[in-house]
Amino acid sequence: DGGITQSPKYLFRKEGQNVTLSCEQNLNHDAMYWYRQDPGQGLRLIYYSQIVNDFQKGDIAEGYSVSREKKESFPLTVTSAQKNPTAFYLCASSTRLAGEGNTEAFFGQGTRLTVV
Amino acid sequence: AQKITQTQPGMFVQEKEAVTLDCTYDTSDQSYGLFWYKQPSSGEMIFLIYQGSYDEQNATEGRYSLNFQKARKSANLVISASQLGDSAMYFCAMRRPSGGYNKLIFGAGTRLAVHP
Repeated sequence: DGGITQSPKYLFRKEGQNVTLSCEQNLNHDAMYWYRQDPGQGLRLIYYSQIVNDFQKGDIAEGYSVSREKKESFPLTVTSAQKNPTAFYLCASSTRLAGEGNTEAFFGQGTRLTVV
Repeated sequence: AQKITQTQPGMFVQEKEAVTLDCTYDTSDQSYGLFWYKQPSSGEMIFLIYQGSYDEQNATEGRYSLNFQKARKSANLVISASQLGDSAMYFCAMRRPSGGYNKLIFGAGTRLAVHP
């Protein structure tokens, strides 16, 4: 089955530690995205990437880093510089838009990160 | 600045009745796309329906329809014949002009509870 796999589902981190969230897709999508969701709020864009070895900062990139060494994979590292990392993290992918049209983003199941 | 507003934090509906979830948006762009996603308690985001800014007809997908009023900048979701499985968070989102990306701005969401 095609889809997006995020792992782990739950992650606990001690303050001051870096942690990496995994995101893999087998949909052959060019674009991948990381979003953060806080309780009672919508999603906010952290980073996005359209091709291998290229990625762009989203609205809340501070304290996060990403890599795109393979088309299928877009891991997110939450660094110790992120002041409030406890949140729900969602990875998404989509086809590259040729213009106006319905090309929805497909989402993974999410990773819930808790700093202890 | 682009913004999505969902003014209903929570809604209740009786099973088999219709319900409307409100969404207003703010943008100065002529070309944009509007999406509705459903988020069950498991966390994944499920695409429901899409409306392009140049679409003349309201979008429909099964029991979901989008009441698009461009002049009022509103894109309300109508769910007909509600089912217990419709209980979830619902997010309205707008695609920003993005040079080929599917970057989305999300509203804060509406929690829908369907009662038997």
